[in-house]
Amino acid sequence: NAGVTQTPKFQVLKTGQSMTLQCAQDMNHEYMSWYRQDPGMGLRLIHYSVGAGITDQGEVPNGYNVSRSTTEDFPLRLLSAAPSQTSVYFCASSLGGDSASNSPLHFGNGTRLTVT
Amino acid sequence: AQKVTQAQTEISVVEKEDVTLDCVYETRDTTYYLFWYKQPPSGELVFLIRRNSFDEQNEISGRYSWNFQKSTSSFNFTITASQVVDSAVYFCALSEAQGGSEKLVFGKGTKLTVNP
Repeated sequence: NAGVTQTPKFQVLKTGQSMTLQCAQDMNHEYMSWYRQDPGMGLRLIHYSVGAGITDQGEVPNGYNVSRSTTEDFPLRLLSAAPSQTSVYFCASSLGGDSASNSPLHFGNGTRLTVT
Repeated sequence: AQKVTQAQTEISVVEKEDVTLDCVYETRDTTYYLFWYKQPPSGELVFLIRRNSFDEQNEISGRYSWNFQKSTSSFNFTITASQVVDSAVYFCALSEAQGGSEKLVFGKGTKLTVNP
């Protein structure tokens, strides 16, 4: 049972480079999201999706792009990496929808990104 | 606007001591969900509990217990007879979303160190 899978685990980029962080889940979850974790800041929501074809911005969306072409995948694109985007990125998913289902948010193991 | 405050940045205890992690939240909604997540040194995020705003019953799970008080907007977490394996960063989070596990707003976390 894979759950939420993030790749890569580690990445080093130079300023200005672009890259895509991959996220896939095999639990047929409608809701997927991306968070970044910075020291002393907790986790902050970047973008989220309530289903295939639907995405929306979270608290800190600038510099990131997302798309949701399938239920399983929710990639996060850094358009032009900046040192301020050095962080640990977590993808998460849940059933979403009716709150009658007691579905917690399941997190991937994170991607540690360094931008030099 | 939603806000979660974990005033304790770091706590250090000796094994077998009881420890309480504080969480105070702000929300204008009458329906909301509160969460606790554990992040051990290995970095993954482990779901501990989800509680909705209509259920003020305290919950106990083994050595863990949670005290939800709407009157003080608090959702505190107590570990009884702490163990070294409890050493981790603990996050409290709030969701106002209908699905209950979406668009979580996290506190900044409390780092708990349990010394042998």
